[in-house]
Amino acid sequence: NAGVTQTPKFQVLKTGQSMTLQCAQDMNHNSMYWYRQDPGMGLRLIYYSASEGTTDKGEVPNGYNVSRLNKREFSLRLESAAPSQTSVYFCASSEASGLPLSEQYFGPGTRLTVT
Amino acid sequence: AQTVTQSQPEMSVQEAETVTLSCTYDTSESDYYLFWYKQPPSRQMILVIRQEAYKQQNATENRFSVNFQKAAKSFSLKISDSQLGDAAMYFCAYRGTSGTYKYIFGTGTRLKVLA
Repeated sequence: NAGVTQTPKFQVLKTGQSMTLQCAQDMNHNSMYWYRQDPGMGLRLIYYSASEGTTDKGEVPNGYNVSRLNKREFSLRLESAAPSQTSVYFCASSEASGLPLSEQYFGPGTRLTVT
Repeated sequence: AQTVTQSQPEMSVQEAETVTLSCTYDTSESDYYLFWYKQPPSRQMILVIRQEAYKQQNATENRFSVNFQKAAKSFSLKISDSQLGDAAMYFCAYRGTSGTYKYIFGTGTRLKVLA
């Protein structure tokens, strides 16, 4: 049982390049989330998917797109990377059907640097 | 909109002593969940403790306990017998129950444990 996995762990991009961050969970969770973490800002929600087939904007969605590929996988895409997107990105999941509300389970994070 | 405030960017505690981290939140909901997460230097987010608002009894997990004051909208974390391994960033988080799937995080408190 791997929990939440993210790839890659580290990435350096040049301004204007694109990339996709991959996330998968094996806990049969309905909801999945993408956050970014910046010093002094805590965790800010970029996008989330309450259930398979739905996605919604969070607090800081500009410059990002997401795809909920299936129940297990939720990817985050940067179409044209900017230095302001330098951050640590976390994927998380929660809420298995039929069970009480659970906490979020987090992936190990991706450190992205845009030069 | 709900907000979570952690007013202590950094705290220090002597090994074996007790420390309390503060968290306040704002909400109009009557039922919700509150969490404390720990983020050590490895970056992995780890759940420390959770509290359900409809439960009056404060949650406890070994050396970790909370002081939940619903009327004051306060949710502090007490760490007893502090250990070097407790050094980390601690995040307070809120999750409502009325149709939203979002978790709201505070900006975090960095805890240093002095030997």
